[in-house]
Amino acid sequence: GDSVTQMEGPVTLSEEAFLTINCTYTATGYPSLFWYVQYPGEGLQLLLKATKADDKGSNKGFEATYRKETTSFHLEKGSVQVSDSAVYFCALSPYSGGYQKVTFGIGTKLQVIP
Amino acid sequence: DTGVSQNPRHKITKRGQNVTFRCDPISEHNRLYWYRQTLGQGPEFLTYFQNEAQLEKSRLLSDRFSAERPKGSFSTLEIQRTEQGDSAMYLCASSPRGGGGTDTQYFGPGTRLTVL
Repeated sequence: GDSVTQMEGPVTLSEEAFLTINCTYTATGYPSLFWYVQYPGEGLQLLLKATKADDKGSNKGFEATYRKETTSFHLEKGSVQVSDSAVYFCALSPYSGGYQKVTFGIGTKLQVIP
Repeated sequence: DTGVSQNPRHKITKRGQNVTFRCDPISEHNRLYWYRQTLGQGPEFLTYFQNEAQLEKSRLLSDRFSAERPKGSFSTLEIQRTEQGDSAMYLCASSPRGGGGTDTQYFGPGTRLTVL
């Protein structure tokens, strides 16, 4: 079945450091890929997505590129802020032409210290 | 856009009791999903509705669980004879009718269930 593997946290960085959170996936066909973020006390929010190979999703300074050859969708940000402290989930959804059943990774907790 | 709302936000119950959660999706969204998230894990798919029809149920959804969406608007998730293993965050998401592409799912804040 479909699965998502992401690096375990927590990840602790100083403000303005470079962030990479690794994510790889297993799926048949051409799934869509997502990063969701969960801030403390809040619900899941879509951060960015990519729907086909070589697409780059970006939002709020975060980027991730859909790499089919390595089945990866690593999340990057050049300079993190304290406000980026949250749990980040990599996820995929198979293309079905209909609804999407999203499969999530376990989440990576990011803590940014001043 | 009022977003997806869920009630209650927290529920504490004793083992063996029944509980019911409610989800109100974004008004124009016809697709609704339930997920369960246990501590330290990502959300796991439970079930999906398109309008009032329940089109898929995960094997995680035992016969103690039932979900409804009677008029294609709000949805309820009921757990009968709760067990301590049911303690989790129950998430609801909705998405608009798609044209065969990828529909973004918008999540509610969740209902945290604690079974004592």
